[in-house]
Amino acid sequence: QSALTQPASVSGSPGQSITLSCTGTSSDVGGYNYVSWYQQHPGKAPKLMIYEVTNRPSGISNRFSGSKSGNTASLTISGLQAEDEADYYCSSYTSGSTYVVFGGGTRLTVL
Amino acid sequence: EVQLVESGGGLVQPGGSLRLSCAASGFTFSTYWMSWVRQAPGKGLEWVANIKQDGSEKYYVDSVKGRFTFSRDNAKNSLYLQMNSLRAEDTAVYYCARLSDYSNFDYWGQGTLVTVSS
Repeated sequence: QSALTQPASVSGSPGQSITLSCTGTSSDVGGYNYVSWYQQHPGKAPKLMIYEVTNRPSGISNRFSGSKSGNTASLTISGLQAEDEADYYCSSYTSGSTYVVFGGGTRLTVL
Repeated sequence: EVQLVESGGGLVQPGGSLRLSCAASGFTFSTYWMSWVRQAPGKGLEWVANIKQDGSEKYYVDSVKGRFTFSRDNAKNSLYLQMNSLRAEDTAVYYCARLSDYSNFDYWGQGTLVTVSS
């Protein structure tokens, strides 16, 4: 069981906006602004999409945005494209003995 | 261009040992914390270990403490993960990753598969 909770699957149509959630506790998501989001295509390494809740690394499309409210972080993808179909993982710094905790991942399907 | 290339994975029997390596290039290796993150087949990501720039601080997930040892050689721009007393639950793809700003893994290698099975 993962430390952070993500829905197992989400789907959307091309052009739509979707939001993925990531729920933790006050010891991780709620307590620090160190939430990251990763995109992983099958058989590939994860790719950093959002860091420190809202920041996009260089080269990441502005269709991807992050936010946080309380113990829940969110990743919004606007103008959904076929290439966005992938697994998405959230992570957070934690005050526990585990330095970083991940969510179980959400599989995004573009219909 | 930042590159991280892992090697050393393979099939090992329970209780056995394996040493993973990660060769880094394209950035000033000695100025970054580095990490290992693993992914069991069909499962999610799990942080395994961190190492400070000079190797003086290391942190491990509880499940590998006492069995895995993380080291680095800044002269060779390389990381090493010595894995002893391997268990079936250690079966995973192991990724080395660059750690940025406390908790962002901003670059990842392609991964190396470790299979622990008799």
